[in-house]
Amino acid sequence: EIVLTQSPGTLSLSPGERATLSCRASQSVSSSYLAWYQQKPGQAPRLLIYGASTRATGIPDRFSGSGSGTDFTLTISRLEPEDFAVYYCQQYGGSPPWTFGQGSKVEIK
Amino acid sequence: QVQLQESGPGLVKPSETLSLTCGVSGYSISSGYYWGWIRQPPGKGLEWIGSIYHSGSTHYNPSLKRRVTISVDKSKNKFSLKVSSVTAADTAVYYCARGHDYGDFAGHDFDYWGQGSLVTVSS
Repeated sequence: EIVLTQSPGTLSLSPGERATLSCRASQSVSSSYLAWYQQKPGQAPRLLIYGASTRATGIPDRFSGSGSGTDFTLTISRLEPEDFAVYYCQQYGGSPPWTFGQGSKVEIK
Repeated sequence: QVQLQESGPGLVKPSETLSLTCGVSGYSISSGYYWGWIRQPPGKGLEWIGSIYHSGSTHYNPSLKRRVTISVDKSKNKFSLKVSSVTAADTAVYYCARGHDYGDFAGHDFDYWGQGSLVTVSS
């Protein structure tokens, strides 16, 4: 099973600032099958990025994903008020189980 | 617009079977994609439970495989989840979602989700 470790656990930033979230895998994620989701309280997760760097439909270009192998990054270039939420990475390469990270919370400073 | 909606009992007794159904609108399950279940214990992270293809082919999380069954009813455009022998550890919000098909050697990311259904296991 591939374990995903996200850091930091909580990121305190102000609107307009840049957010950089990390997702590290315990072994290489094949073909960059890595996704990022945003979840707000009481809501279902929302797909932001798939294939490590492809934005999902309707996702603003301030969200970008990068990385390969075991190290992946989600960057939010300029935080908008609606971006304060919890972010999860998920790997879906190879055999099951396909796993999620424990989440990183972006909170208002 | 693709929409998914979970339905089922919100309270299940320990040792019994949890049953949920996901109704899909705006897209025919028979047209493709995987259809999956993901759960989230209160205040915790996400856990993939399993997925089914429109053909009926399934993938399960090995940690739950012994207790989980996912089935599809294409005539009603619904798919279902059963978890047997539940304990308090199965208390969670259960989400159904649509998963991209990347072929035989990969799983899927999930682009459309239901709103979630809280299931509490308690006597």
